[in-house]
Amino acid sequence: RKEVEQDPGPFNVPEGATVAFNCTYSNSASQSFFWYRQDCRKEPKLLMSVYSSGNEDGRFTAQLNRASQYISLLIRDSKLSDSATYLCVVNKGGSYIPTFGRGTSLIVHP
Amino acid sequence: NAGVTQTPKFRVLKTGQSMTLLCAQDMNHEYMYWYRQDPGMGLRLIHYSVGEGTTAKGEVPDGYNVSRLKKQNFLLGLESAAPSQTSVYFCASSYGPTQETQYFGPGTRLLVL
Repeated sequence: RKEVEQDPGPFNVPEGATVAFNCTYSNSASQSFFWYRQDCRKEPKLLMSVYSSGNEDGRFTAQLNRASQYISLLIRDSKLSDSATYLCVVNKGGSYIPTFGRGTSLIVHP
Repeated sequence: NAGVTQTPKFRVLKTGQSMTLLCAQDMNHEYMYWYRQDPGMGLRLIHYSVGEGTTAKGEVPDGYNVSRLKKQNFLLGLESAAPSQTSVYFCASSYGPTQETQYFGPGTRLLVL
């Protein structure tokens, strides 16, 4: 099993839709979690950290389920500009090396 | 404040040629990383550094060498380029260990013929 797994998609949704992605991780010692966004031919940029209690930033909500070892990203009221690849990042405690998922592609169409 | 910069942005090499990719950051970050990104493979860590003068191997280090002589710079070298090294290379830096956000450079597109 890969350390961090994501459904590659693409998720093809109309504007205004709500879409959710999951990311599963295999190492129960993982301690910090992030979602990054990567536009086509650009560098990844931090979208949001994922906290144990869940957190929200505008239309974006991130949640962590330690028991089932996954994190999720919910996007409400999708915009055309949300079209991108969303990367899940999981860091083990005591490790300098973050582990990236392969990303989930989102396409928002008019 | 330029953040993380990478030089060059694009390069074409012939098999067997050598080159050095330069990453520079002006955020006084201790940690720096070199990744390669290939279609369908996601980001894979090549080498990383936890401070000036230190380097360590990542997931795919073969065929690459690195140096961190100055805190702000992290160099990635290809001694004898191979077509399998055709990729997009991203450098990243962070202030601390894995709890911290990583900041990425704009990438270097390398084509090895």
